[in-house]
This record gives sequence, structure tokens and C-alpha cells, in this order.
Amino acid sequence: AQKITQTQPGMFVQEKEAVTLDCTYDTSDQSYGLFWYKQPSSGEMIFLIYQGSYDEQNATEGRYSLNFQKARKSANLVISASQLGDSAMYFCAMREPYSGGGADGLTFGKGTHLIIQP
Amino acid sequence: NAGVTQTPKFQVLKTGQSMTLQCAQDMNHEYMSWYRQDPGMGLRLIHYSVGAGITDQGEVPNGYNVSRSTTEDFPLRLLSAAPSQTSVYFCASSYRKNLAKNIQYFGAGTRLSVL
Repeated sequence: AQKITQTQPGMFVQEKEAVTLDCTYDTSDQSYGLFWYKQPSSGEMIFLIYQGSYDEQNATEGRYSLNFQKARKSANLVISASQLGDSAMYFCAMREPYSGGGADGLTFGKGTHLIIQP
Repeated sequence: NAGVTQTPKFQVLKTGQSMTLQCAQDMNHEYMSWYRQDPGMGLRLIHYSVGAGITDQGEVPNGYNVSRSTTEDFPLRLLSAAPSQTSVYFCASSYRKNLAKNIQYFGAGTRLSVL
């Protein structure tokens, strides 16, 4: 079973609209971290936002917010007032630091290709 | 303000050749890692290190070697390149404390083609 599932391979959104990118995850750990990264066409990986499993409030960073629903194991990224520069691939990732015997790194979803139209 | 630096940016190899992808960070991060990204996929962990002298395998370690002799450097070696290793390679680093939150910062990537 996939640990990180991003069900939207691609999305087209009008400029200035809000965007929600879906992410569901699978873990049996109580302590874990959820991350979103942006990858523009230039190829670099840019950190956007982090949510910890014990954080009671949803994370926010400027125009980015994370809709964290722990019981549903979902961590959707919300981009408010989208801009043309938001066009990129977006990856959801998880870290399980205490998973016994497992590798210590990020597990990524396959990504969502977001295109903002003027 | 260099962050994570990867060299080279592009490389073409013939099957069977060896090469080393370089990664250096200037943030005094204990943790460093290598990922590969294939078309239509997210990044997958190859190897990682939690400090100088300590390395371990990730999800897809076969065909790659690593070592960590200093905090700053974490080279990735391809001993005998195969076409299946054609990919984009990313190096990342982070602090180790507050394990779940340690944000991994990525280098710009190395695009490798094996013919």
C-alpha cells in the first residue's frame, strides 16, 4: 500500500482562485511529520509547509495552509488567491522518525501538476 | 548563503562507467540524504547519513555507495552505471533535533543519463 497518495495528477485553476491539493497518508506511528514541497519547471524542490502529528492547529505559511484531518489521515494543501507563479508540481511527503527498522527519510507522493490560468 | 550544493548539474555516462555525484552543505546539518526522481514519480530515498561516519540504506540503495567523512560532504557513487539509473538525483540536508520537524533542504539536482 502506498504511504502517500495524491489523487490529482493534474489541475487547472483560474488565477486568484483558491486551490486545494489532496494528500492522504498511511502510518501506524503516533509521531510523524507531514510536508509539502513545490517543484517549479526549473526543477528545484522548495519547502512550503510542515504539520506535525501532535499539532492541534492547522499550519499556515503566508498564502499556504494545511488542512490536517488526523482521523481521516489527510493533509491537504490550500493555496489562497492563486498566482501564475504557483504553476508547478506539488509533492506531499511524510517522515516517520520512530518507525522501527525503517529508513529515516521522507516518503513522497507522486505529485500534482498545478497549472494556473490567467 | 550557499545551502546545499550539488555538482555536476548534468552528466551523461556510458553503461559500465563509474562516477561520483558531489553534495556539500554549509548549514552544519547532521542529517544528509540522497533521493532519485523518475518521470511521474515522487522522490525515493537512496541512502542517508545521520552524522559523519554513519550511513544507512534507503528504499532504493542497489547500485549506489555513499560515505560521510565530514559533516559537510556526502558523495554518491555509481560503481557501474546502468540505464536504469538514468534519473534526476537530489541531495538534501537537515538538523536532527526535533526529528519529525527537521525540514530537509534540497540541492538543485543532478540530471544523469546513462546510455
